[in-house]
Amino acid sequence: ETGVTQSPTHLIKTRGQQVTLRCSSQSGHNTVSWYQQALGQGPQFIFQYYREEENGRGNFPPRFSGLQFPNYSSELNVNALELDDSALYLCASSLDFGAGELFFGEGSRLTVL
Amino acid sequence: AQKITQTQPGMFVQEKEAVTLDCTYDTSDPSYGLFWYKQPSSGEMIFLIYQGSYDQQNATEGRYSLNFQKARKSANLVISASQLGDSAMYFCAMRGASGGSYIPTFGRGTSLIVHP
Repeated sequence: ETGVTQSPTHLIKTRGQQVTLRCSSQSGHNTVSWYQQALGQGPQFIFQYYREEENGRGNFPPRFSGLQFPNYSSELNVNALELDDSALYLCASSLDFGAGELFFGEGSRLTVL
Repeated sequence: AQKITQTQPGMFVQEKEAVTLDCTYDTSDPSYGLFWYKQPSSGEMIFLIYQGSYDQQNATEGRYSLNFQKARKSANLVISASQLGDSAMYFCAMRGASGGSYIPTFGRGTSLIVHP
């Protein structure tokens, strides 16, 4: 148990729709990062938030956006869904944005039809 | 830019034998952390072991040890006494400084199958 929970665990959307994925971090963890993991691939870094501000972003378009809240929860929003957005989305929390360990949730599996 | 390379798409090992999973990394920053994660078919990422770039000793956690060779930029995972439950995907990852924030980078993974 990492103390990081994600919801929903599975969801199906159609192309063009919008989706919001949620993550609840470990208490006291100021940093949350989000990843997209396509089938058979390693996790790809989407972005990272530290104390409610974006603190690093991977090579993802602006239709991927996020929020981090003071209660250690966060959201990943994806607008104008495309078929290639089908993937497992993982969030991870950490004490800070340094080089320390990442604690992962179990992921949200998104299917876009 | 930082990069993680795992050159073994799949590995097979006999139960109770040891196995080494390879990982090389590339970064220009002197401060970074190296990690290994296990991902069973259920999808969750399970933390196995961590090595800081300034750590003098190789990290060990139970049956897991990390063979850290800084000059060669390698961070191989050694699993001793393999068990059937070790069958999973294994990812090497790094958190290195990029513009002031530590961006995590993952390799493509190695699929480990443990035979009875």
